[in-house]
Amino acid sequence: NAGVMQNPRHLVRRRGQEARLRCSPMKGHSHVYWYRQLPEEGLKFMVYLQKENIIDESGMPKERFSAEFPKEGPSILRIQQVVRGDSAAYFCASSPVVGTLAKNIQYFGAGTRLSVL
Amino acid sequence: GQQLNQSPQSMFIQEGEDVSMNCTSSSIFNTWLWYKQDPGEGPVLLIALYKAGELTSNGRLTAQFGITRKDSFLNISASIPSDVGIYFCAGPITQMNRDDKIIFGKGTRLHILP
Repeated sequence: NAGVMQNPRHLVRRRGQEARLRCSPMKGHSHVYWYRQLPEEGLKFMVYLQKENIIDESGMPKERFSAEFPKEGPSILRIQQVVRGDSAAYFCASSPVVGTLAKNIQYFGAGTRLSVL
Repeated sequence: GQQLNQSPQSMFIQEGEDVSMNCTSSSIFNTWLWYKQDPGEGPVLLIALYKAGELTSNGRLTAQFGITRKDSFLNISASIPSDVGIYFCAGPITQMNRDDKIIFGKGTRLHILP
């Protein structure tokens, strides 16, 4: 009965490298959300995806960040040419069926903590 | 834009005390969610509220959906050390031609004094 799985838990990158964060939603969930959390801050929405579709990317920085959720496999949040300001905890969440009140309940993974040196 | 304001930002209490925190908005919400985040972990859903005036309990936690639909309250009775963490309120905002987006408050940080 696995929940939302994120890996790696911790990721260290040097400036200019690429970071790839993975998220497998809960079984039966086809909606994935990515959030960023800075120390002492709340969760900032980045992007909402369904299988093979980006539904809402209004929170994604315009450059260097991209996300995908392929038909097979986990959702990937990709950050190219990382900078120190990208250091944060990145959380993935998934939710059940759209069209019911339960759609708004999101289940979170344990997060990936990205440190950029 | 719409935002959720949580109060207080931090609380320092003695073990055994009751805790109250709230979340307010200038906009109406049709769902209120309360999450807890332990250090180094992701948020975990505590209580979901769907109806104005609703009062829901989960063990020592009780949450209420405000009558005006612009606020919600979370109470913890007889606090214990494992209650330490960050408590977030969250709610969906309706977007034109899009699914709801969930927004989060900045959290209330609960500390228990030794």
